[in-house]
Amino acid sequence: QKEVEQDPGPLSVPEGAIVSLNCTYSNSAFQYFMWYRQYSRKGPELLMYTYSSGNKEDGRFTAQVDKSSKYISLFIRDSQPSDSATYLCAMTPSGGYQKVTFGTGTKLQVIP
Amino acid sequence: DVKVTQSSRYLVKRTGEKVFLECVQDMDHENMFWYRQDPGLGLRLIYFSYDVKMKEKGDIPEGYSVSREKKERFSLILESASTSQTSMYLCASRFRGPSNQPQHFGDGTRLSIL
Repeated sequence: QKEVEQDPGPLSVPEGAIVSLNCTYSNSAFQYFMWYRQYSRKGPELLMYTYSSGNKEDGRFTAQVDKSSKYISLFIRDSQPSDSATYLCAMTPSGGYQKVTFGTGTKLQVIP
Repeated sequence: DVKVTQSSRYLVKRTGEKVFLECVQDMDHENMFWYRQDPGLGLRLIYFSYDVKMKEKGDIPEGYSVSREKKERFSLILESASTSQTSMYLCASRFRGPSNQPQHFGDGTRLSIL
């Protein structure tokens, strides 16, 4: 069983929809949670970075962490065709250098 | 903004060749990383470096080596390239602070070994 599970999709939604992307994990030591967006033939770009539980909002993006359920989500409001990309979740324990564990990514397509 | 630059976007080499992939970051980050990314397998850590001249093996170091002679530059070396090393290679860097700062990635090198 992988430490981090992420549905690979693809997920297709119409423009303007609310998108929910999710990851589950098994390691209760994870404290820092990240979402990266990766366009085709490009490197991952950091979207959101959160510590422990709770919500964080940045424009149309909201990251949510539920440590009790070991579940994290990324919500995209008013989705745009430019949001079409693969979204990777990532997480790491706290304390000094710790290895980052990545999900395998969910491919999102926003249809105009 | 953090800038991580990988020297080549696309590279084609032959089996048995020694291959060098170069990565440069401009943010004075202490930590640097090399990953490979394959469909269905996600990102797998090959090597990382805490600081200049320091290196640690990641999850899949076999067939690879690294060099970090200057803080801004981290090189990945394929000692004798094989077709199984055809992949997307991603370099990342991060600031070594009191909390686990996120990694910032370059745009990758798509390497094909024929």
